[in-house]
Amino acid sequence: AQSVTQLGSHVSVSEGALVLLRCNYSSSVPPYLFWYVQYPNQGLQLLLKYTSAATLVKGINGFEAEFKKSETSFHLTKPSAHMSDAAEYFCAVKGPPRNSGYALNFGKGTSLLVTP
Amino acid sequence: NAGVTQTPKFQVLKTGQSMTLQCAQDMNHEYMSWYRQDPGMGLRLIHYSVGAGITDQGEVPNGYNVSRSTTEDFPLRLLSAAPSQTSVYFCASSYSLVGDGELFFGEGSRLTVL
Repeated sequence: AQSVTQLGSHVSVSEGALVLLRCNYSSSVPPYLFWYVQYPNQGLQLLLKYTSAATLVKGINGFEAEFKKSETSFHLTKPSAHMSDAAEYFCAVKGPPRNSGYALNFGKGTSLLVTP
Repeated sequence: NAGVTQTPKFQVLKTGQSMTLQCAQDMNHEYMSWYRQDPGMGLRLIHYSVGAGITDQGEVPNGYNVSRSTTEDFPLRLLSAAPSQTSVYFCASSYSLVGDGELFFGEGSRLTVL
């Protein structure tokens, strides 16, 4: 089944610094990839998704991600961190229906801390 | 727009008790699912449904039952709660069964089993 690995369970950046959250996927066919954000005590909200239309995907709140097939990666970036970006970020993958049907398979998450 | 609504938001149970977590969506989505979220584990799929009357197991189905009698509702039942079921539960729905359809999530139900 398709899976994703998020490198780094905790990432800390200074306000105004570059945000880079890493995600590598495992899939035998071109996947659909997603990034979600979870603010404290809330549900997950879609940041962006890759659907093969373009390798560089722009999302909400200034985030973007680049699909690199050669590296099997879909890293999330933001040029300048804001205090309000502090949250948990999840990478997820969906490929052709397998044992889990049409479910998204999530990574374990990366907690982003933004310091003043 | 209500989106995906989960109730209750918080619940404390004793071992062996039963309960039902409710989930309703008003977006006419065919696909609905339940995930549990545990620290360091990400989200793991419990059960899912691709339409009324159709359900199937996900990655961690043991101890949970589901049914889908209508398009809108997808309740999750714990028949005999165990401390290992202490978790945050999320219901999610999608308009697309395949392809790039993303999931829309409820705000979660935090369950503690003593």
